Amino acid sequence: SAVISQKPSRDICQRGTSLTIQCQVDSQVTMMFWYRQQPGQSLTLIATANQGSEATYESGFVIDKFPISRPNLTFSTLTVSNMSPEDSSIYLCSVEILAGSEAFFGQGTRLTVV
Amino acid sequence: AQTVTQSQPEMSVQEAETVTLSCTYDTSESDYYLFWYKQPPSRQMILVIRQEAYKQQNATENRFSVNFQKAAKSFSLKISDSQLGDAAMYFCAYRSPNFGNEKLTFGTGTRLTIIP
Repeated sequence: SAVISQKPSRDICQRGTSLTIQCQVDSQVTMMFWYRQQPGQSLTLIATANQGSEATYESGFVIDKFPISRPNLTFSTLTVSNMSPEDSSIYLCSVEILAGSEAFFGQGTRLTVV
Repeated sequence: AQTVTQSQPEMSVQEAETVTLSCTYDTSESDYYLFWYKQPPSRQMILVIRQEAYKQQNATENRFSVNFQKAAKSFSLKISDSQLGDAAMYFCAYRSPNFGNEKLTFGTGTRLTIIP
């Protein structure tokens, strides 16, 4: 299993500013993912955080808006840049220890942009 | 690309009764993984049950079981003896076995209400 600490749990931010979300795992993992969950909707993958290389972004998400760092096998950050009210969502970090096994999730960051 | 469809936005069930949540998916892959996740108001995503496509036997976890119909691409979740703590959003998810495509593709979710 894996225990994920995600910070902050919630924040209210002004439009035009940036917020960095941290994801810390209690064990080394290969696969780390960042998801967005817009209000009342399902989870959508933003990107896969790769250790030692650039993140792999899904269609509709770009590095300038959502820069991701993955300095080691237990930590990653997601930054939401130049925020607008449309960025108000829950952002979740997820890890997978073994291929096809259970994906573990952080408790999410509820972001409100005003 | 794979898609996952949950046609029931909301479901309700009497406490102690049984309820079935539906999920269908579309894929051209022959091997894959399917999951049901639960998201209570705390936002924490919790794995309910997991199924590997190559296994014909339906997965079970205590009060939770699935009806996996590979040919029909159907993966329904049955909750028996429903409890108040089962109230949550339930998401069906698909995962490819292929390297470089390990992401989970989620359905739109079903909100389950338990009636005391």
